[in-house]
Amino acid sequence: QVQLVESGGGVVQPGRSLRLSCAASGFTFRGYGLHWVRQAPGKGLEWVAAIWYDGTNKYYPDSVKGRFTISRDNSKNTLYLQMNSLRAEDTAVYYCARDPRASGWWGFDYWGQGTLVTVSS
Amino acid sequence: DIQMTQSPSSLSASVGDRVTITCRASQGIRDDLGWYQQKPGKAPQRLIYAASSLHSGVPSRFSGSGSGTEFTLTISSLQPEDFATYYCLQHNSYPLTFGGGTKVETK
Repeated sequence: QVQLVESGGGVVQPGRSLRLSCAASGFTFRGYGLHWVRQAPGKGLEWVAAIWYDGTNKYYPDSVKGRFTISRDNSKNTLYLQMNSLRAEDTAVYYCARDPRASGWWGFDYWGQGTLVTVSS
Repeated sequence: DIQMTQSPSSLSASVGDRVTITCRASQGIRDDLGWYQQKPGKAPQRLIYAASSLHSGVPSRFSGSGSGTEFTLTISSLQPEDFATYYCLQHNSYPLTFGGGTKVETK
């Protein structure tokens, strides 16, 4: 079955960096686009980043553009999110999610369990 | 950016009730819309894709309808396990955007 397992969350000071990972199994990793979605405590869902199946196209909303970088290693079945210049408002549970197709945006058919990032001094 | 306006933000209902949740897009998005259910402390799960198609394994009491700018999620007979928060998502254009959520609580 499809499994997505995030790791790398924790407490980090404002302005510092953190890298999240998402290990995938149960499907042909290189055949699907992937996303990161976050949820601040007690708030709704916010899409954070997308990457196509081969890593050639990447997309971000304005709220994280220039600070976050999504990448993937198809040889390791792993998705990453490099987060730089972190702010208090980046505090959230970060989920990785699979797109049902290789390219474009088609929503999210499977989600990981999430990893909590807390930005605080 | 496409804004997704979801209503109501919360509702109270009883087991067996018919429940309807609406999402309105700020511009036409064809049928590029999904519905997700989230229970406290858990990841969201997809219920509906392409506005009206049921995700694998989702009970048939859930249904979706709409196209363009108006979309509806209906639960035909609310079950105890359906008390949760529901979100719509548009994936017609970047950036992908969610509705604000609807919390379904017990009356």
